[in-house]
Amino acid sequence: QKEVEQNSGPLSVPEGAIASLNCTYSDRGSQSFFWYRQYSGKSPELIMFIYSNGDKEDGRFTAQLNKASQYVSLLIRDSQPSDSATYLCAVRNTGKLIFGQGTTLQVKP
Amino acid sequence: EPEVTQTPSHQVTQMGQEVILRCVPISNHLYFYWYRQILGQKVEFLVSFYNNEISEKSEIFDDQFSVERPDGSNFTLKIRSTKLEDSAMYFCASGTGQGPNEQYFGPGTRLTVT
Repeated sequence: QKEVEQNSGPLSVPEGAIASLNCTYSDRGSQSFFWYRQYSGKSPELIMFIYSNGDKEDGRFTAQLNKASQYVSLLIRDSQPSDSATYLCAVRNTGKLIFGQGTTLQVKP
Repeated sequence: EPEVTQTPSHQVTQMGQEVILRCVPISNHLYFYWYRQILGQKVEFLVSFYNNEISEKSEIFDDQFSVERPDGSNFTLKIRSTKLEDSAMYFCASGTGQGPNEQYFGPGTRLTVT
């Protein structure tokens, strides 16, 4: 069974802090890794993807991938109250995405 | 910015009825997907579609489900005889199939089976 695991949270951070979200996956054949943001009652919105080991930065977001440890993370710098949402880690193996349960992030003003 | 659209936004149906959920993928995308999310649970893959045929499907996607691309723009999911447990948000997604093959999701259809 191919699994993607996330801590469901909630993760609570003060405004302006760095939020760190983590994800592990079981299938070593996984090819690409994605972070989606999902507001309550809405659809997943793609934030970032990564497929090579190391860091990838896009604005306030940094994705980190360690294939040896089967670990993906997302850092959100200067967290804002509007970042409060559920963050979904997704892993692609073949064509489909396998999602984790999501981590709920609360950014407190 | 191009986006995936879905209709209807909410569908209420009685158990045993057929429903068709509609999606218009992003125009230059070649790969199309259906996912579902039961309230409070993970997003789950149902089926992928490429070149007018199913390329992959999950165990959830049994004989009650079918997909079709009836014309050059629409992509549909049909559930022949709905069950109470089919109540969920259904998301359509599309992707280019190139590189990391990121997938972009539509706003979803909330299906309520009574």
